[in-house]
Amino acid sequence: KNEVEQSPQNLTAQEGEFITINCSYSVGISALHWLQQHPGGGIVSLFMLSSGKKKHGRLIATINIQEKHSSLHITASHPRDSAVYICAVHLYSGGGADGLTFGKGTHLIIQP
Amino acid sequence: DAGVTQSPTHLIKTRGQQVTLRCSPKSGHDTVSWYQQALGQGPQFIFQYYEEEERQRGNFPDRFSGHQFPNYSSELNVNALLLGDSALYLCASSPVVSGLNYGYTFGSGTRLTVV
Repeated sequence: KNEVEQSPQNLTAQEGEFITINCSYSVGISALHWLQQHPGGGIVSLFMLSSGKKKHGRLIATINIQEKHSSLHITASHPRDSAVYICAVHLYSGGGADGLTFGKGTHLIIQP
Repeated sequence: DAGVTQSPTHLIKTRGQQVTLRCSPKSGHDTVSWYQQALGQGPQFIFQYYEEEERQRGNFPDRFSGHQFPNYSSELNVNALLLGDSALYLCASSPVVSGLNYGYTFGSGTRLTVV
């Protein structure tokens, strides 16, 4: 079982729809990242969360540490939001930094 | 302010050859992490360098090695290339704050094809 599970794997929606992508993890973490990857590979860091909720423009990310669950929401979705959205966790090692552990990503397509 | 720069962007190598990939971190970042992303998969952690030493390593064989230079730039070396090493190799830099590194910035990656 993967330590980080994302759902759905693929999502196609119409422009303007409210989008939710979910991430569940099974281990203790010190932080969770939401990343956006466009065709060609470049990754952009959207949010880093350790508790609560963050908002940036039309993007909202929430995390529930007790339930080991995070969601990424996109309001008023637009075709330019089409990308792969990846959840990655920063495992809690107690003494220092670890590399990120990634989910497999959610492939989002927003149709005009 | 330049972000993370990786070179080359694309590379084709023959099975059994060796390859070196390069990464220049974002200004002010002193930690570099390398990831391998196979087609259709999420990235997998290879290793992380800080203060010119390998701090952490993922589940990759010794054919994968690295180096960090005094200017914080880093190299990833892969020996005895296998067809399965074909992937996008991503570099991410971050600052170390209070012993933990946060605020990752990713490069655009090097697409390695082994034939």
